[in-house]
Amino acid sequence: SAVISQKPSRDICQRGTSLTIQCQVDSQVTMMFWYRQQPGQSLTLIATANQGSEATYESGFVIDKFPISRPNLTFSTLTVSNMSPEDSSIYLCSVVKENTEAFFGQGTRLTVV
Amino acid sequence: GENVEQHPSTLSVQEGDSAVIKCTYSDSASNYFPWYKQELGKRPQLIIDIRSNVGEKKDQRIAVTLNKTAKHFSLHITETQPEDSAVYFCAAKYNYGGSQGNLIFGKGTKLSVKP
Repeated sequence: SAVISQKPSRDICQRGTSLTIQCQVDSQVTMMFWYRQQPGQSLTLIATANQGSEATYESGFVIDKFPISRPNLTFSTLTVSNMSPEDSSIYLCSVVKENTEAFFGQGTRLTVV
Repeated sequence: GENVEQHPSTLSVQEGDSAVIKCTYSDSASNYFPWYKQELGKRPQLIIDIRSNVGEKKDQRIAVTLNKTAKHFSLHITETQPEDSAVYFCAAKYNYGGSQGNLIFGKGTKLSVKP
């Protein structure tokens, strides 16, 4: 299994500002991902966080809006930049170890006012 | 890319009855199909998964079946209990280009089990 610590658990932010979400895993993992889950909706993949290189973004998500870092095999950050109310959502990091199941962080509930 | 369709979006059953949720996927190269349960305000938790080399897997009251030819898979919950009430998501492992290993999720099924 994998123990994931995601911070912050929730935040209320002013529009136009940025928030960085951290994801720390208790062991090295092959792959790390960032998802968004809007209220009552499914999980939408934002990007794959690649260790040592630029993240791979899904259609509809761009690096300028959601810059991602992954400096090592246990840590990643997602920044939500220049926030607007439409960015209000739950953001979850997910990890996969050696091609096994995916584990999720507890999520960050973001409200933009 | 991969597309996962899930239905029904809501399902209400009486305690003790069975519940079935179905998903279809589009990428024939997908080879891993997990099911997640998400209770209100909590993270998704894996409840069962199946790989493409088997057709069925069972774990107590939960079973998953896979039909690779038709590209669909189903979750079966027997003898449902109120604590089974949650949102259930199916997913397929996406094997396209540089995005190998990530999951594409269905839209979810809200299951309500009435006592």
